[in-house]
Amino acid sequence: DSGVTQTPKHLITATGQRVTLRCSPRSGDLSVYWYQQSLDQGLQFLIQYYNGEERAKGNILERFSAQQFPDLHSELNLSSLELGDSALYFCASSVGLAGNTDTQYFGPGTRLTVL
Amino acid sequence: GENVEQHPSTLSVQEGDSAVIKCTYSDSASNYFPWYKQELGKRPQLIIDIRSNVGEKKDQRIAVTLNKTAKHFSLHITETQPEDSAVYFCAAVPSGSARQLTFGSGTQLTVLP
Repeated sequence: DSGVTQTPKHLITATGQRVTLRCSPRSGDLSVYWYQQSLDQGLQFLIQYYNGEERAKGNILERFSAQQFPDLHSELNLSSLELGDSALYFCASSVGLAGNTDTQYFGPGTRLTVL
Repeated sequence: GENVEQHPSTLSVQEGDSAVIKCTYSDSASNYFPWYKQELGKRPQLIIDIRSNVGEKKDQRIAVTLNKTAKHFSLHITETQPEDSAVYFCAAVPSGSARQLTFGSGTQLTVLP
């Protein structure tokens, strides 16, 4: 167990809908990362937050957004869902941003199925 | 941005043999290189990592080597066991405060008993 929690574990929804994925980082970790894992695209970085502020953006679609709250948990919002959004979504956390504080630990993931 | 290439995509070895997975990266400014093991449907788990100021690191049966000049790094697993069977991902992290992982495409390792 990495100490990173994600809910829900599974999510099944229809095209055009909106969903919210939740992540709680390890105790003491300030940085949260979201990754998408699909069969054709592999593991791809979406977005990073550090202590409530957006730090980096990857290949995140405009239909997707995220935020990190004062208690450091993070939510990833996916809207106008398409079949191609079906994937495993992982959250990872690290203590900080540099040196030995940037090791990332992954949560169990949320499996999203869009029908 | 960073690009990481990983080879081979599949690797089968006999139990007790060694396995080697190789990765190359494109951004010479990258300074942190972790390796993750992922079992089917599970989360990626960090198994070993190396920073750019170190050439080699070992942890029991697992070792990682880094060649900054050639921009490649490798994972070595000795005395493989069936429980080593999984997908292994290499990754690179750029210098600076954006610490996102750029992953390789993964290697499916199968250890045959």
